[in-house]
Amino acid sequence: AQSVAQPEDQVNVAEGNPLTVKCTYSVSGNPYLFWYVQYPNRGLQFLLKYITGDNLVKGSYGFEAEFNKSQTSFHLKKPSALVSDSALYFCAVRVYKFYFGSGTKLNVKP
Amino acid sequence: DAGITQSPRYKITETGRQVTLMCHQTWSHSYMFWYRQDLGHGLRLIYYSAAADITDKGEVPDGYVVSRSKTENFPLTLESATRSQTSVYFCASSDQAGGDTQYFGPGTRLTVL
Repeated sequence: AQSVAQPEDQVNVAEGNPLTVKCTYSVSGNPYLFWYVQYPNRGLQFLLKYITGDNLVKGSYGFEAEFNKSQTSFHLKKPSALVSDSALYFCAVRVYKFYFGSGTKLNVKP
Repeated sequence: DAGITQSPRYKITETGRQVTLMCHQTWSHSYMFWYRQDLGHGLRLIYYSAAADITDKGEVPDGYVVSRSKTENFPLTLESATRSQTSVYFCASSDQAGGDTQYFGPGTRLTVL
């Protein structure tokens, strides 16, 4: 069965510090990998995706993600967190269909 | 305005009633999706459509019906609403030419009493 895991329900980080939101997956084949962000009472917004090529993908708002095939991971990172980054983050994998993780709430404290 | 819209944004109904949630996109994307979002479950796919008149079940289709007579519209109907269908529903669309990135509507918060 295909699955996507976001092992942390919540991540707390101080403004200005680097942040990492973790994602691992278990799928057959070569998936497309995505990160989405959801602000309160809003739909999900696309941040970035990996299809092929360079393992480090850069996306919107200064976010980047690192694809690691051997560890089947696709962690979201940002060098310096902002309070405005506080939101719910979803990892997603596409193999024929889309599979979403359960989400990680990011809290950035001033 | 261009994009993907959902209506209504909020709906309260009673058990056993039929409810239809509307989704409309202006990009002419071939694929459209319905998800429900529940605490602890993230997003779960209900139904999706690859093109007009082509639909398929997702992970949690029971109790829901969809149709897609036009490319731009993808309504979701709860034939006889149950309390377990209280949730936030998101519609999304994508185009393979765009690398399958999904674009989401603002959501409909449905409460079944």
